[in-house]
Amino acid sequence: DAGVIQSPRHEVTEMGQEVTLRCKPISGHDYLFWYRQTMMRGLELLIYFNNNVPIDDSGMPEDRFSAKMPNASFSTLKIQPSEPRDSAVYFCASSLRTSGKYEQYFGPGTRLTVT
Amino acid sequence: SQQGEEDPQALSIQEGENATMNCSYKTSINNLQWYRQNSGRGLVHLILIRSNEREKHSGRLRVTLDTSKKSSSLLITASRAADTASYFCATVSIYNQGGKLIFGQGTELSVKP
Repeated sequence: DAGVIQSPRHEVTEMGQEVTLRCKPISGHDYLFWYRQTMMRGLELLIYFNNNVPIDDSGMPEDRFSAKMPNASFSTLKIQPSEPRDSAVYFCASSLRTSGKYEQYFGPGTRLTVT
Repeated sequence: SQQGEEDPQALSIQEGENATMNCSYKTSINNLQWYRQNSGRGLVHLILIRSNEREKHSGRLRVTLDTSKKSSSLLITASRAADTASYFCATVSIYNQGGKLIFGQGTELSVKP
């Protein structure tokens, strides 16, 4: 398996622009997680899905952030409009909970810079 | 918000020495996991210990869990330069069956050849 795939790997955008981050989880996994990592706040869970349904979005910072999972093999995290404080590395991870396992498999991340 | 606290924040050792990292957490857990992150990369799962376990081994890794003190430690024996990375503990609450992970701040390990 190719692992969790994220695109783009790097994104530089100007304040006010819309940013869309993409994730393809490991085939067959039933949970998908979006995290954000910054030096100041460390790793934060933003939202997670179970079988494409959002379960907990309490970590989403504000209405500018939205996430979707239209099918089992694709998810997006959108920021509109973007702000400099959104600069961070965004990780997607997936897991196979129905097998009783809790381990999460992380993608390589998208480094977002908002100027 | 982050639940875990890790100690030390940074650790520098010589190749061949053992490295010990500690993690404390606040709520009741189903399990605790350790992840490694190499610079500029995603996190890699290392080992999971369940709340009813006290010690677990995997290769050169040894993890202990003390639920009464809400703490865990990760020991890497006979360290290698390739072990240089950041190490994070992450907990899964007993109240969350989805496996939502709460991460600690991490320990930055540097192993000098």
